[in-house]
Amino acid sequence: GEDVEQSLFLSVREGDSSVINCTYTDSSSTYLYWYKQEPGAGLQLLTYIFSNMDMKQDQRLTVLLNKKDKHLSLRIADTQTGDSAIYFCAEKLRGGGNKLTFGTGTQLKVEL
Amino acid sequence: ETGVTQTPRHLVMGMTNKKSLKCEQHLGHNAMYWYKQSAKKPLELMFVYNFKEQTENNSVPSRFSPECPNSSHLFLHLHTLQPEDSALYLCASSQATGTSGPSTDTQYFGPGTRLTVL
Repeated sequence: GEDVEQSLFLSVREGDSSVINCTYTDSSSTYLYWYKQEPGAGLQLLTYIFSNMDMKQDQRLTVLLNKKDKHLSLRIADTQTGDSAIYFCAEKLRGGGNKLTFGTGTQLKVEL
Repeated sequence: ETGVTQTPRHLVMGMTNKKSLKCEQHLGHNAMYWYKQSAKKPLELMFVYNFKEQTENNSVPSRFSPECPNSSHLFLHLHTLQPEDSALYLCASSQATGTSGPSTDTQYFGPGTRLTVL
């Protein structure tokens, strides 16, 4: 079945790196997404990675995918207070139309 | 600016009221979606429309009634809701529906309508 799990909270100091983790159970994913949700706002697409890739880097963001362990991570370098938000990973399955399975979200708090 | 707008942003309604949520996308997309976001739960897909035709109804109770008059507009009509229906309702759109790759399948979200049912 489809299940995507994330830890609920992460707290880091400004300037440090943040690593947000996600695990999924269905191995037939085609690509995986990271979305960011700021308070009172909708979901903002951050990045995505094809399931046949191991890593993708986009400025301060690095996505790592371990297909064997079904583990996805988002690393934010030099974390800033503006990065405080809820981060969702989502999985798009092969043959699933455009249905995404979302995790519960990880609340990132950046402290000064 | 995501290109997807939703109105109203906040709505409080009684269990016997009838109200509608509106979503409009300015991205030239062909597919639109309704999601429900409840506290500490994953986003739940409710409905999918592709070229104005409903392609997915994720076992949503009939007190939620979607309407898609054209590819740019999506409505969610609400009637006789329950307090447990209180949630953030998110609309999203994409150029296509899962056949062409992430450049066209990626969903873009609106800011949501915060619904409270008393």
